[in-house]
Amino acid sequence: DAKTTQPNSMESNEEEPVHLPCNHSTISGTDYIHWYRQLPSQGPEYVIHGLTSNVNNRMASLAIAEDRKSSTLILHRATLRDAAVYYCILRDVPSYGKLTFGQGTILTVHP
Amino acid sequence: GAVVSQHPSRVICKSGTSVKIECRSLDFQATTMFWYRQFPKQSLMLMATSNEGSKATYEQGVEKDKFLINHASLTLSTLTVTSAHPEDSSFYICSASIGGLAGGRYEQYFGPGTRLTVT
Repeated sequence: DAKTTQPNSMESNEEEPVHLPCNHSTISGTDYIHWYRQLPSQGPEYVIHGLTSNVNNRMASLAIAEDRKSSTLILHRATLRDAAVYYCILRDVPSYGKLTFGQGTILTVHP
Repeated sequence: GAVVSQHPSRVICKSGTSVKIECRSLDFQATTMFWYRQFPKQSLMLMATSNEGSKATYEQGVEKDKFLINHASLTLSTLTVTSAHPEDSSFYICSASIGGLAGGRYEQYFGPGTRLTVT
């Protein structure tokens, strides 16, 4: 599986935008970029995913670099409920879609 | 989004007993389900991939005779921890995916997890 690199931790203030980076320099052409987040003592939650184009949904935006070697998850206005571990994962199409979790980024949101 | 449930949410058992954890996809059919284990302050580790109607595929280092997986229907997979020991105490999480072989295109939905404590 192609690997991703994320910062161990990031901090933000409430109601400010947050940009969570992810590097995936060995991404293959069929890898989708997935983001999940995990709140304490809960199962992970799907956030967003994309292939080449930027994506928006009600939770976040995903900005994908033109060469696809990096991406950024954007939370437009952080809330205290966004404090979680965020995982950036590459998921291949010709597979049954298993996810390999790295250490993720611990996001702390200050009131 | 789709909903995946797990039961029980928390279980305490004595060493040497077996524990069964259920994972259900409530509003979609899941051709594939996954089982993960998470120790405190660590990331999720994939244990096995479960495909409906066929044998599960276990990750390297996971004992298939200890962690029995049954995916009997498109909405139910079970994980049985046999002869549990204190080192099996962990947070067990299942997930379900649509899309079959094209799984990478689709998001994955996770259950809320089961906290297993073996005394």
